[in-house]
Amino acid sequence: DAKTTQPNSMESNEEEPVHLPCNHSTISGTDYIHWYRQLPSQGPEYVIHGLTSNVNNRMASLAIAEDRKSSTLILHRATLRDAAVYYCILRAQGGSEKLVFGKGTKLTVNP
Amino acid sequence: GAGVSQSPRYKVAKRGQDVALRCDPISGHVSLFWYQQALGQGPEFLTYFQNEAQLDKSGLPSDRFFAERPEGSVSTLKIQRTQQEDSAVYLCASSSLAGGFVTDTQYFGPGTRLTVL
Repeated sequence: DAKTTQPNSMESNEEEPVHLPCNHSTISGTDYIHWYRQLPSQGPEYVIHGLTSNVNNRMASLAIAEDRKSSTLILHRATLRDAAVYYCILRAQGGSEKLVFGKGTKLTVNP
Repeated sequence: GAGVSQSPRYKVAKRGQDVALRCDPISGHVSLFWYQQALGQGPEFLTYFQNEAQLDKSGLPSDRFFAERPEGSVSTLKIQRTQQEDSAVYLCASSSLAGGFVTDTQYFGPGTRLTVL
């Protein structure tokens, strides 16, 4: 699985937008970009995924660069409940079933 | 609906003891995964089941680790002769699809925190 690079930590204020970056310069053409997050003392939960086009769902938006070498997870209005570790994961078409996690980005949301 | 459940949530074992960790996946989910998460790290893959078949056990760190899913639903991760380095959170996940569909979602349980003294 191709590697991803994320900042170790980020801070945000409540009710402000948050942009969480992920670099994946070695991404291949059929790799999907997935985001999971892990709230304190819980298992990871799925957030969003995409291939080429930007994606929106009720939790977040995913903006994918035109060359696909980076992506950004966007939380439009951060709440205290969004404080978590966010993981950017590449999944290869026809590849392994397992998820390969890095260290992720720890997001702190200030009231 | 019910999510993935794991028991016990916390387990303290003396070094050398055997432990068994249980995972109840979402009903009907074909795929089941076990991950190990050390403090401050992301989860690391241990093993994968498709129904009752263990298709990938490449992540099991030693032969002291054993997992089973005999009827294709509940799974048990067993660790024999526990060592201090086994202390971690053990996470179970399930998904509805089989065979590595790249867009499938894995649903995680809350984990079992194992502390080996």
